Amino acid sequence: SSELTQDPAVSVALGQTVRITCQGDSLRSYYASWYQQKPGQAPILVIYGKNNRPSGIPDRFSGSSSGNTASLTITGAQAEDEADYYCNSRDDTGYHHYVFGPGTKVTVL
Amino acid sequence: QVQLQESGPGLVEPSQTLSLTCTVSGASISRGGYYWSWIRQHPGKGLEWIGYIYYSGSTYYNPSLKSRVTISVDTSEKQFSLKVSSVTAADTAVYYCARASGGSPYYFDYWGQGTLVTVAS
Repeated sequence: SSELTQDPAVSVALGQTVRITCQGDSLRSYYASWYQQKPGQAPILVIYGKNNRPSGIPDRFSGSSSGNTASLTITGAQAEDEADYYCNSRDDTGYHHYVFGPGTKVTVL
Repeated sequence: QVQLQESGPGLVEPSQTLSLTCTVSGASISRGGYYWSWIRQHPGKGLEWIGYIYYSGSTYYNPSLKSRVTISVDTSEKQFSLKVSSVTAADTAVYYCARASGGSPYYFDYWGQGTLVTVAS
C-alpha cells in the first residue's frame, strides 16, 4: 500500500510562517487533506482539495501541492496552532483505501 | 451542525470481539453522498483508517484489518457500527467515527470525540 511521510517535528516563532510537508506517490493522483490534533482532542479538518478551508478555519492556513509533495502552510502562526498535523490521501494502490501520514508536531515558540 | 458520538465498552478481553456504535445527528446517513468511517489511533501514535460504509451497505476496509473487521449501518437509527474480532493488545486504541466525502476531493470533515478501547484481561 501507499505510504505518506512527514517530518516528525518543526518549530516556528510566534507570528512567523511554517510549512509542513507530506510526501508520497499517491499525492501524484490525489490531493491531500490536512488535520490538526491537539492533545486529548479529536482531529479537525483544516485543509482539503486544492486549497480549501472548512468553515471556521482561519485563513492563515493554506495548502499546496506539487508532484508527490503536499504542503500545509501556517502564515503568522499563533500559540493556539501548536498541535500535531496529519496529512491524508486516498491510497492509489487500492480502491477506496486511505492512508495517513505519521504526523508533524508543530511547536510555536 | 453534524455531530458524531461513539459508544461502547471501554474494556475488551483478548480474543473477544470489540463492538462500537456511532450515532449521527444533524445529518442523514440514508441521504447518501458521504461514507461513514472508522479511524483509530494507538496511544501516542498516528491515525489509521479502518474502513467505511455507504448507506447502501457497501463497505471498504483497510487491507491490513479486513479479515477481522465488519462495519454495518442502521439508517433508521442513524447509527453505524464497528466490530473487530479476535482482538489483542495491539487493538488498544482510541477509536473515532468520522464522515468521509463521497467523491473528490477526499477528506474526513466531521469526527466524533473518540472512545478509548483497552484490550486486557
